[in-house]
Amino acid sequence: GDSVTQMEGPVTLSEEAFLTINCTYTATGYPSLFWYVQYPGEGLQLLLKATKADDKGSNKGFEATYRKETTSFHLEKGSVQVSDSAVYFCALSDETGGYNKLIFGAGTRLAVHP
Amino acid sequence: DAGVIQSPRHEVTEMGQEVTLRCKPISGHDYLFWYRQTMMRGLELLIYFNNNVPIDDSGMPEDRFSAKMPNASFSTLKIQPSEPRDSAVYFCASTIRDPTTDTQYFGPGTRLTVL
Repeated sequence: GDSVTQMEGPVTLSEEAFLTINCTYTATGYPSLFWYVQYPGEGLQLLLKATKADDKGSNKGFEATYRKETTSFHLEKGSVQVSDSAVYFCALSDETGGYNKLIFGAGTRLAVHP
Repeated sequence: DAGVIQSPRHEVTEMGQEVTLRCKPISGHDYLFWYRQTMMRGLELLIYFNNNVPIDDSGMPEDRFSAKMPNASFSTLKIQPSEPRDSAVYFCASTIRDPTTDTQYFGPGTRLTVL
């Protein structure tokens, strides 16, 4: 079945460093791809999404490009802040069985230090 | 908009007791999802509803778990009897129309501890 694989964390960076969190997927169809973020003590919230190949999703300085050829959707940010410390989840939409649901990766914890 | 509302935020109970978690989706949303989050298994989809009808409950771990959605503004997830391995954070989420491309909005979660 469909699946999502993320790089293991935690990722520890200094403020203003460049961030990459790798995400690859396996899917039989053409899923939409998502990044969700979970701040401490809160639920998940959508960070960005892309619905077709070569689309770039962006929000709050974060970007990810839907790469069908490499089945990847890596998350990047040019300069992280302490407030970006959170757990990041990559996800895809699964249309198996004629209905739609999200398949999440295991999550990657990011810790940014001043 | 108040967002997805869950109650209680924290629940501590003893093994064997019945636990009921509650969720109020965003008004107008027609899909509702229940997830469970643990360190060991990550985020798992338990069940989801469309227009108050359960569509897929294949993620429900066993018969001790049940979920209902009696109307468009309320859903419950019940565990009876509860066991220590049910300790987790349970999230409710809702969305509208095609969940493939529309955002799922998550509630703040209920942290359940079964002693």
